[in-house]
Amino acid sequence: RKEVEQDPGPFNVPEGATVAFNCTYSNSASQSFFWYRQDCRKEPKLLMSVYSSGNEDGRFTAQLNRASQYISLLIRDSKLSDSATYLCVVTSNTGNQFYFGTGTSLTVIP
Amino acid sequence: DAGVIQSPRHEVTEMGQEVTLRCKPISGHNSLFWYRQTMMRGLELLIYFNNNVPIDDSGMPEDRFSAKMPNASFSTLKIQPSEPRDSAVYFCASSLDLIRGYTFGSGTRLTVV
Repeated sequence: RKEVEQDPGPFNVPEGATVAFNCTYSNSASQSFFWYRQDCRKEPKLLMSVYSSGNEDGRFTAQLNRASQYISLLIRDSKLSDSATYLCVVTSNTGNQFYFGTGTSLTVIP
Repeated sequence: DAGVIQSPRHEVTEMGQEVTLRCKPISGHNSLFWYRQTMMRGLELLIYFNNNVPIDDSGMPEDRFSAKMPNASFSTLKIQPSEPRDSAVYFCASSLDLIRGYTFGSGTRLTVV
């Protein structure tokens, strides 16, 4: 079983829409969680960490459900510039390496 | 901060040739990671170093791949001999504290023909 599973999409949404991505992880002892964003032909970049209590950064909200072992990312009021691949990341139980999901592709349509 | 610097950005080589990819991590970061990304398999961890010491190389596909980190500011990933199935984007990333996440370099796009 993969450490991290994501729906690859693609998600095609109109500008202004709200879109949510989910990701499940297999190791209940995982310590830290992140969402990364990767633009076409670019490197992944940290979008936000995911905290147990949930956290928000502008239009982006991340949540963690340890009981069900999933994390989510909610994007409100989608912009054209949000078009990218969103990667879910989970650390190992020792916390010394990351496991990346395969990414969810988002295209925001004018 | 110059970020993680990788070279070359692009490499096209013939099957059987040796390929060397280079990485300069962010100054002060004590962990360095080499990843490979393909459409089919996504991001795969090849090897990582902590304080210049290889910690886990279980992701290195086979003996044709080797990595070194002779000092805190430089690492290489070598493929010898290269094969067409090695074609991918190879990313280097560094981290000071994994709680804060990784910083990736811009990658090397390798094509083996």
